[in-house]
Amino acid sequence: AAGVIQSPRHLIKEKRETATLKCYPIPRHDTVYWYQQGPGQDPQFLISFYEKMQSDKGSIPDRFSAQQFSDYHSELNMSSLELGDSALYFCASHSQINLHTGELFFGEGSRLTVL
Amino acid sequence: LAKTTQPISMDSYEGQEVNITCSHNNIATNDYITWYQQFPSQGPRFIIQGYKTKVTNEVASLFIPADRKSSTLSLPRVSLSDTAVYYCLVGDRAGTASKLTFGTGTRLQVTL
Repeated sequence: AAGVIQSPRHLIKEKRETATLKCYPIPRHDTVYWYQQGPGQDPQFLISFYEKMQSDKGSIPDRFSAQQFSDYHSELNMSSLELGDSALYFCASHSQINLHTGELFFGEGSRLTVL
Repeated sequence: LAKTTQPISMDSYEGQEVNITCSHNNIATNDYITWYQQFPSQGPRFIIQGYKTKVTNEVASLFIPADRKSSTLSLPRVSLSDTAVYYCLVGDRAGTASKLTFGTGTRLQVTL
């Protein structure tokens, strides 16, 4: 079965550079979530989208922005990168139609390293 | 959203039953309880979800008392491959509660 696809899997950037992470949800999933997980930490909710509209915002820095496109894939754009942005970034998807399952499907993550 | 409290870590021997309890004193009427498992450098994986009483699937059971202020994830006969971090999440079903927040998970270490 198709899963959530994230790209790139690994990314190395210098301080003050920009980075873009992509997330392709499971087909027919209309909701996307982004999480950031630092080394040894728990996943932190960043932002979510439903039907291409921002649904909710968590602890996402102003330097970060995200959007969901017409094909439901999502991109997380990060600018003026800082060392503290080094983390695993997870994307998860869900279908509003299947509310009864309540399951979020996570991708394998994109590991960002800022030097 | 209801805040959750779990033990930081637990240790078990292979073949034993493991019970991880999560406290969520201010759970709302519409909230469900969902447990996820996470291996290092991998995305969390759904284990089980429940609203009240008991839910069982092929990998775990979830016990929820009548007041719903806590829940217990039960893993029968754990193996080494069950070594992971387990998260309890409380909120409206995924999709309607956009800000699904992970608390501090429980690190389960299974040994021979």
